[in-house]
Amino acid sequence: EAGVTQFPSHSVIEKGQTVTLRCDPISGHDNLYWYRRVMGKEIKFLLHFVKESKQDESGMPNNRFLAERTGGTYSTLKVQPAELEDSGVYFCASSWTSGRQGQETQYFGPGTRLLVL
Amino acid sequence: LAKTTQPISMDSYEGQEVNITCSHNNIATNDYITWYQQFPSQGPRFIIQGYKTKVTNEVASLFIPADRKSSTLSLPRVSLSDTAVYYCLVGAGRGTYKYIFGTGTRLKVLA
Repeated sequence: EAGVTQFPSHSVIEKGQTVTLRCDPISGHDNLYWYRRVMGKEIKFLLHFVKESKQDESGMPNNRFLAERTGGTYSTLKVQPAELEDSGVYFCASSWTSGRQGQETQYFGPGTRLLVL
Repeated sequence: LAKTTQPISMDSYEGQEVNITCSHNNIATNDYITWYQQFPSQGPRFIIQGYKTKVTNEVASLFIPADRKSSTLSLPRVSLSDTAVYYCLVGAGRGTYKYIFGTGTRLKVLA
């Protein structure tokens, strides 16, 4: 069974440009999560999808970030316009829906390394 | 909201048992605790998950006291390949679907 995949693995862009990150979850996983780690900081939650619905997007830093999951399959995270402080590693994870909230085991992708110059 | 803290780093020798503790004072009643291992340039890799008392699988054990305000990951007989960063992950609390990673513990296994 394929794991969570993310594309691209690396992206280098200039300040003000737009970048779109893609995440393909494990097949059948309704839950999809985005996290990021900026340089020297902890891994921070960005948002959580259940199928195509945003369950919690309280971690999104500002309105330059837009996440979508059309059809409840893959997800995209767009940063527009990118700023220097957006540099970091963006992780995606997915999980089954457990009968008990809080029990879902998240499986992570390899991450996308974003560098904004 | 839940706040999670871990020791920044630990050193151990091959063959020893390593215990890493995560403090999560405000964990919600229904939240499980999950531990991950991360190598450089890779995503976090699932190790073990538990709710209370003790859970054991083929690679680790997880000890959770009755108050669930902390958890301890136990790695038996570590090897050089266990050198990595270890994270706990918990839900952010009741009424939210947000998750919080621990600060991460950098384990270095020495020969």
